[in-house]
Amino acid sequence: DQQVKQNSPSLSVQEGRISILNCDYTNSMFDYFLWYKKYPAEGPTFLISISSIKDKNEDGRFTVFLNKSAKHLSLHIVPSQPGDSAVYFCAAFLPGTASKLTFGTGTRLQVTL
Amino acid sequence: EADIYQTPRYLVIGTGKKITLECSQTMGHDKMYWYQQDPGMELHLIHYSYGVNSTEKGDLSSESTVSRIRTEHFPLTLESARPSHTSQYLCASSLSYEQYFGPGTRLTVT
Repeated sequence: DQQVKQNSPSLSVQEGRISILNCDYTNSMFDYFLWYKKYPAEGPTFLISISSIKDKNEDGRFTVFLNKSAKHLSLHIVPSQPGDSAVYFCAAFLPGTASKLTFGTGTRLQVTL
Repeated sequence: EADIYQTPRYLVIGTGKKITLECSQTMGHDKMYWYQQDPGMELHLIHYSYGVNSTEKGDLSSESTVSRIRTEHFPLTLESARPSHTSQYLCASSLSYEQYFGPGTRLTVT
């Protein structure tokens, strides 16, 4: 039973345009949501997070939106740059679980010139 | 800047060998984690630790074992490597909900 789902395995976007990565979850008790970026043969790097009590968090080119009623969050990257090409993982945190995170399967973003 | 280190970065080893993957962090985080990830798949938690002398099995069953004798050090050991253990192993640490990851160890068992 996968509690965090990223239904798009890949996404291709032109440089300068907006990239939108989506994530759905099933457990309404998740307290925080995080996005990580991962290059091949490297560990994931934290990008941005959002508390379940907020609906938007912005950090530079990255914005995360949370729709609790739909159990859906999205990561917007504007403008997209070639260096953004990587695999993006959505993760969710359940309180009282030793800070364990539940990860989605990832979306591979390719930003083309 | 997160400071968490893993060695070796790449390891190719024969079946039946004993291996230890090293993980160290300099941030003083109490919680540490080991994940296993295959290409195109999600990260699966295989071990975690609340602090010194505390270790727990994760959500994915693993034949590996871990120890936490010092706060900064969380090594993972495979007593007898098999080809099914071929994967990327990622170590992480945290204070709260945000986890910081090391660069990973790509293990290949032939």
